[in-house]
Amino acid sequence: QVQLVESGGGLVKPGGSLRLSCAASGFTFSDFYMSWIRQAPGKGLEWISYISSSGSTIYYADSVKGRFTISRDNAKNSLYLQMNSLRAEDTAVYYCARDAGSSSSADYWGQGTLVTVSS
Amino acid sequence: EIVMTQSPATLSVSPGGRVTLSCRASQGVSNSLAWYRQKPGQAPRLLIYGASTRATGIPARFSGSGSGTEFTLTIGSLQSEDFAVYSCQQYNNWPFTFGQGTNLEIK
Repeated sequence: QVQLVESGGGLVKPGGSLRLSCAASGFTFSDFYMSWIRQAPGKGLEWISYISSSGSTIYYADSVKGRFTISRDNAKNSLYLQMNSLRAEDTAVYYCARDAGSSSSADYWGQGTLVTVSS
Repeated sequence: EIVMTQSPATLSVSPGGRVTLSCRASQGVSNSLAWYRQKPGQAPRLLIYGASTRATGIPARFSGSGSGTEFTLTIGSLQSEDFAVYSCQQYNNWPFTFGQGTNLEIK
């Protein structure tokens, strides 16, 4: 069955960096677009980054552009999010999600990893 | 950026009842619209994509309709697991955007 497992979250000071990872299994990872979607405490969902199956096409939300970098390693069935220059407003649960293929909706999600940016 | 607006913010319904949730886009998104259900402490689950196509494993009591800027999600015969937050999402244009959610609570 499809599984997405995020790791790498934690407490970091403003201006600091973190790298999130997402380990995928149960499907042919290299066939699917993947995304990072976040949810601040008590708030709605925000789609922050999107990467094509080959990694050649990447999109970022304006809120993270220039600070976050999405990447993937198809040989390792893994998705990454390098987060630099973190701000308090980046505090959220970060989800790794698989693109549905027939539509750019997210058909499978990981359990999420909490990133807290605080001094 | 396309703004998605959901109404109402909260809806109180009795188990076994039927409910219709609304989602409006600030500009046309064709039928590039998905619905998700999110229970407390859990990741969202895809219910509907393409405005009206049920995702794998989603029961027939869930139905979606609409196109352009106006969309609805109807849930018939509410079960206990249906009391959760529902979010719509457009994927017609980047950035993909979500509505703020409708909280469906037990009456």
